[in-house]
Amino acid sequence: EVQLVQSGAEVKKPGESLRISCKGSGYSFTSYWISWVRQMPGKGLEWMGRIDPSDSYTNYSPSFQGHVTISADKSISTAYLQWSSLKASDTAMYYCAIPRISSAYNWFDPWGQGTLVTVSS
Amino acid sequence: SSELTQDPAVSVALGQTVRITCQGDSLRSYYASWYQQKPGQAPVLVIYGKNNRPSGIPDRFSGSSSGNTASLTITGAQAEDEADYYCNSRDSSGNPNWVFGGGTKLTVL
Repeated sequence: EVQLVQSGAEVKKPGESLRISCKGSGYSFTSYWISWVRQMPGKGLEWMGRIDPSDSYTNYSPSFQGHVTISADKSISTAYLQWSSLKASDTAMYYCAIPRISSAYNWFDPWGQGTLVTVSS
Repeated sequence: SSELTQDPAVSVALGQTVRITCQGDSLRSYYASWYQQKPGQAPVLVIYGKNNRPSGIPDRFSGSSSGNTASLTITGAQAEDEADYYCNSRDSSGNPNWVFGGGTKLTVL
């Protein structure tokens, strides 16, 4: 079974750095891209960006470009989402998910369980 | 355009049929996928492609598409279908970017 397991909840102060993780299992980690999705409190889903673990090529939504960094370590089947300087507005639930692509068909499955990031002074 | 537009809220009587729609230019090129999200839970894929249901999704869920509009139909809505529903598609930029609709809150009366 293809599964994504994310790291636990984090509480940080503004200006601090953070890296959260997403570990894949049940498949060859380099076979599928991994995307990150943000959900701010009480709000909808926002696609942030994706990485191809086979070569670490990334692309980002214009809304998130320059604000976060997506990386991966294929030796341990883990993708990361990181911030160098957190802001209160980064408070959100973050999900990783596998994008599936087949011509005009695109979908995300499975999803990780989510990592809650709280940034507060 | 890279936007997908959904009605914020829809209600349906128990056992009746409801359609949730999603509009966007990218839907002329790509099929939408649909996700159900219940409070405190991660999104779950319910429909993808032309009208494909993942294993475990009841057959009362179906999808369709016409022009720039995709639809998720629940035939015989159940109390457990009350949730937020999001559509998703590639955007039409030509890059491997995705976009989500704003979500529809479904209330089962």
